[in-house]
Amino acid sequence: GEDVEQSLFLSVREGDSSVINCTYTDSSSTYLYWYKQEPGAGLQLLTYIFSNMDMKQDQRLTVLLNKKDKHLSLRIADTQTGDSAIYFCAEGEAGNMLTFGGGTRLMVKP
Amino acid sequence: SQTIHQWPATLVQPVGSPLSLECTVEGTSNPNLYWYRQAAGRGLQLLFYSVGIGQISSEVPQNLSASRPQDRQFILSSKKLLLSDSGFYLCAWSWWENTGELFFGEGSRLTVL
Repeated sequence: GEDVEQSLFLSVREGDSSVINCTYTDSSSTYLYWYKQEPGAGLQLLTYIFSNMDMKQDQRLTVLLNKKDKHLSLRIADTQTGDSAIYFCAEGEAGNMLTFGGGTRLMVKP
Repeated sequence: SQTIHQWPATLVQPVGSPLSLECTVEGTSNPNLYWYRQAAGRGLQLLFYSVGIGQISSEVPQNLSASRPQDRQFILSSKKLLLSDSGFYLCAWSWWENTGELFFGEGSRLTVL
């Protein structure tokens, strides 16, 4: 079955860049997503990328996709304390079930 | 605009007691509905999904059940809770026509003692 993996923790200093990595196994994925979960809350979609794209930039967020290696990354520039949260990678096809990674807890030190 | 509500936000229940978590979606018709569980320190596990009224699919065998009595209402239930049912439960909805993006509720934290 499909599998999505992420590292559990990432710690950065305020103002630095954060890079959260994700690997997946399903080569038929159409979309790849990054969700953010703040403490005690539900998940919110941060950004997504079509599988035929290599990169997508949205303000401080840059998503890179290496489809050959099935590797997805999320880069947050100028990381702020408000970026502290759990970030989930997910893959799937439109109208189908998403498969989520286990989440990466980003801790931003002032 | 579309909104999703789930309640209660927090619940503390004894082992063996029943459970009912409710989720409603407003502002859309015929959504796909989902229940996820997030155990402490772990990722999301899909429990149930529904593509229409009365249509429920279960992803994992468990002590829980789900029902969809109305188009935009999704209920998670248990007749007798186990300690292992503790966790953070998230309801979500999606469109078929869109990117497959999920829209999540705020979650319900269940502690079984």
